[in-house]
Amino acid sequence: EPEVTQTPSHQVTQMGQEVILRCVPISNHLYFYWYRQILGQKVEFLVSFYNNEISEKSEIFDDQFSVERPDGSNFTLKIRSTKLEDSAMYFCASRVASGRYNEQFFGPGTRLTVL
Amino acid sequence: GNSVTQMEGPVTLSEEAFLTINCTYTATGYPSLFWYVQYPGEGLQLLLKATKADDKGSNKGFEATYRKETTSFHLEKGSVQVSDSAVYFCALSPRLRGGSEKLVFGKGTKLTVNP
Repeated sequence: EPEVTQTPSHQVTQMGQEVILRCVPISNHLYFYWYRQILGQKVEFLVSFYNNEISEKSEIFDDQFSVERPDGSNFTLKIRSTKLEDSAMYFCASRVASGRYNEQFFGPGTRLTVL
Repeated sequence: GNSVTQMEGPVTLSEEAFLTINCTYTATGYPSLFWYVQYPGEGLQLLLKATKADDKGSNKGFEATYRKETTSFHLEKGSVQVSDSAVYFCALSPRLRGGSEKLVFGKGTKLTVNP
């Protein structure tokens, strides 16, 4: 069964460093998302991406964040200069098409720890 | 704005007990409602969904009914099993024209079922 994959499963970095979190969505999916969950808090929407551009982003997704689909398979989230408060579990999701009947499929997440 | 409030955990039950996890929402318009489940070490998986008032979503013995009058979507199962141990997330998708169909999540409720 096709699934969304994410790498690495755990990333440890120093404050101020750049990190890139990688996701491989399901191959025929067109809509892509990043969410994050700070420990003990809600899963929060960060950004959605369709047709090679951002379709919606939250207030969390400031200039330190960027997303890219560099080839036909990967979808990446970059944090330019990490802060302590960026420590969280980051989930990637993808959806085949628009419409309320279409499910978002989630990856297992990357745990980012900023020291 | 859009928000989801769900019962704080953790919840610990014995096998074959009845389960209820409460979920209420605030939304503009008529959102779609979902329950996602996260098993240890895995990503979020869609458990069930409902797209309009009075719809009942069901899967694997779990049920939830979209109650517009009480803005609720409580998750129930008549007889839980050890394998149901997981974290359960209630979520909504605001159905806004031109929106990305992002998901707005509750905090999650951890369920442990003992044999």
